[in-house]
Amino acid sequence: LAKTTQPISMDSYEGQEVNITCSHNNIATNDYITWYQQFPSQGPRFIIQGYKTKVTNEVASLFIPADRKSSTLSLPRVSLSDTAVYYCLVGDLAPGYALNFGKGTSLLVTP
Amino acid sequence: GAVVSQHPSRVICKSGTSVKIECRSLDFQATTMFWYRQFPKQSLMLMATSNEGSKATYEQGVEKDKFLINHASLTLSTLTVTSAHPEDSSFYICSARDPLSSGLEETQYFGPGTRLLVL
Repeated sequence: LAKTTQPISMDSYEGQEVNITCSHNNIATNDYITWYQQFPSQGPRFIIQGYKTKVTNEVASLFIPADRKSSTLSLPRVSLSDTAVYYCLVGDLAPGYALNFGKGTSLLVTP
Repeated sequence: GAVVSQHPSRVICKSGTSVKIECRSLDFQATTMFWYRQFPKQSLMLMATSNEGSKATYEQGVEKDKFLINHASLTLSTLTVTSAHPEDSSFYICSARDPLSSGLEETQYFGPGTRLLVL
């Protein structure tokens, strides 16, 4: 299983862009990179998923360099409601494979 | 997107009793479901993989006789905490894989979690 390393915590002001980088040096060929958001006492919520290059959806962008040994989640113009824990997960998407969670990054957004 | 539900959302029980938590995939069939446990201020820890029609696979250190998992249908998995003790108090989260999802879509859906408090 590919191990992930992310900053324990980050702080940001409202309206700023936040970039959270995750290292996954031993990512396997079949592995995808998935980011989840979690609020206290709630289940994780899917943000974005990718395999290589750049992926963008309505809430975030995911940048993956060619060697795939790291990835960066970019949250544009964060608001107070983006205060949460963000998890970077790396794994096979085949039905029998579970996603294993690392420690995550606790993001605090302040006015 | 697909929805996974859990019931109950929270439960309080006395030490020594058993508690059952249900996990349902509401609009897709899941041959595999997963059970996680999360203690305060910690990350989610995978407990077991639940396979429809067969025995669950438990992670190292998780007692299979204490945490009974049944996956009797393609939309329902249950976790029973037997003879619960205060140290079993935690947030239990299930998830399910949609086998029809593609690589750039959400493939593993998480339930809202069940808060268990054992007195």
